[in-house]
Amino acid sequence: DARVTQTPRHKVTEMGQEVTMRCQPILGHNTVFWYRQTMMQGLELLAYFRNRAPLDDSGMPKDRFSAEMPDATLATLKIQPSEPRDSAVYFCASETGGGFGGELFFGEGSRLTVL
Amino acid sequence: QKEVEQNSGPLSVPEGAIASLNCTYSDRVSQSFFWYRQYSGKSPELIMSIYSNGDKEDGRFTAQLNKASQYVSLLIRDSQPSDSATYLCAVNIAGGGADGLTFGKGTHLIIQP
Repeated sequence: DARVTQTPRHKVTEMGQEVTMRCQPILGHNTVFWYRQTMMQGLELLAYFRNRAPLDDSGMPKDRFSAEMPDATLATLKIQPSEPRDSAVYFCASETGGGFGGELFFGEGSRLTVL
Repeated sequence: QKEVEQNSGPLSVPEGAIASLNCTYSDRVSQSFFWYRQYSGKSPELIMSIYSNGDKEDGRFTAQLNKASQYVSLLIRDSQPSDSATYLCAVNIAGGGADGLTFGKGTHLIIQP
């Protein structure tokens, strides 16, 4: 059963610490996304990659967030330093890239709490 | 700025009735429309996509699209308690790729046994 895998599922950390979240997209999916979900803002696109190349990271606070895709099986989202306002659920999603741009498969999410 | 609006709810519907979820969007060039279901504490899951005006049926679910009025709706027939979830509407512009995808904040649906 193909699925997007994210780690960690839960993370509690203190303000100022570095946080790294990892994602393994579905094999064969060439487009990978990072979303953040909060009650207030809903789902926000942070960054996405196509064929491992970063295409858009305009939704990401660049002074503290960075996203990379070192190989086709791994995407990472790093926050350094973390702040309490970063507390949210972070979802990775992947897509085949051949459709209408909206048929996303989401991972189970990483719930981040920054104290 | 593209906007997708949904009533946050909660929308309470008795078991066995029809649940009707609505979504309006601001960008007239929008061409692709999606409904995602998200159970509490879980990730969004795609349940319907629609690209042409009219109705699209899949089991108990029917998506309806009216581009002239800029709304898309989701009907759930014979509602079951397991349908209780938040339903997210997502809209994409023509040729936008997934970076053009905009999500609404979702409607919380409760099916009362």
